[in-house]
Amino acid sequence: NAGVTQTPKFQVLKTGQSMTLQCAQDMNHEYMSWYRQDPGMGLRLIHYSVGAGITDQGEVPNGYNVSRSTTEDFPLRLLSAAPSQTSVYFCASSYSSSFYGELFFGEGSRLTVL
Amino acid sequence: QQPVQSPQAVILREGEDAVINCSSSKALYSVHWYRQKHGEAPVFLMILLKGGEQKGHEKISASFNEKKQQSSLYLTASQLSYSGTYFCGINSGGSNYKLTFGKGTLLTVNP
Repeated sequence: NAGVTQTPKFQVLKTGQSMTLQCAQDMNHEYMSWYRQDPGMGLRLIHYSVGAGITDQGEVPNGYNVSRSTTEDFPLRLLSAAPSQTSVYFCASSYSSSFYGELFFGEGSRLTVL
Repeated sequence: QQPVQSPQAVILREGEDAVINCSSSKALYSVHWYRQKHGEAPVFLMILLKGGEQKGHEKISASFNEKKQQSSLYLTASQLSYSGTYFCGINSGGSNYKLTFGKGTLLTVNP
C-alpha cells in the first residue's frame, strides 16, 4: 500500500518558470490538500479538495492552481515561479471530509526557485 | 489565524516529562496533534473534539479546554524517539475542511 505519493521529491526552477507537483493517493480518500512548510512558519494550507471536481482555497493560495479530476490525483501547479515559493510542499489526504479523520502526508517535495 | 504554540523549543533528558500548549483566539471545534521528525513527513498523533475530551497515545496524552480555547499535549517519561517537532492543528469552524497549524514546538530528548 503506497499511501500518498508525491513527485518530484526535489526540483529547481528559475523565476518565471511553471511546473506541476504531482500527488496521488491509493486509499480512496475524499479529502486531499496541499501545505507548504517554511522554517519557523509551520504548515500553511494552500488549497484543498473534498472530492473530485471540488476545490477551495486555503490560507496562502496566491500563485498556485489546483484541480481534482479523479479521486486519486490532486496536482499543484505553480503558474509563474517566484523565489518566495521556495519551500517544502506536502500533500495530505484524509478519508473523512468532515475533518475528524487523520491526515496522511506524502514525503514532501522540496522546491527551490532561483 | 495560526494557533500559538508554547514553548517554541524544549530540551529534556530521557525519562523527563513535558507539556506543549496550543492556544487559539477563535473558538475551537477540534484540535489535531502531529509529530514531525527532521526530514520526514508529519505523523498523526491524535484528534480531540470539543467537550473537554482527553485522549492518550502510549505515554502521550492531550487535553482540550473548550472554554479557554486551548489544548495541551503531555509527554510522560520521554523517550529518545519522542524527539521531533510537534504541531497542533485547529479547526475553528466555518469550513470543516481547513486545518490551521501552529508554528511548532521543537522537542529534543537527550540520553
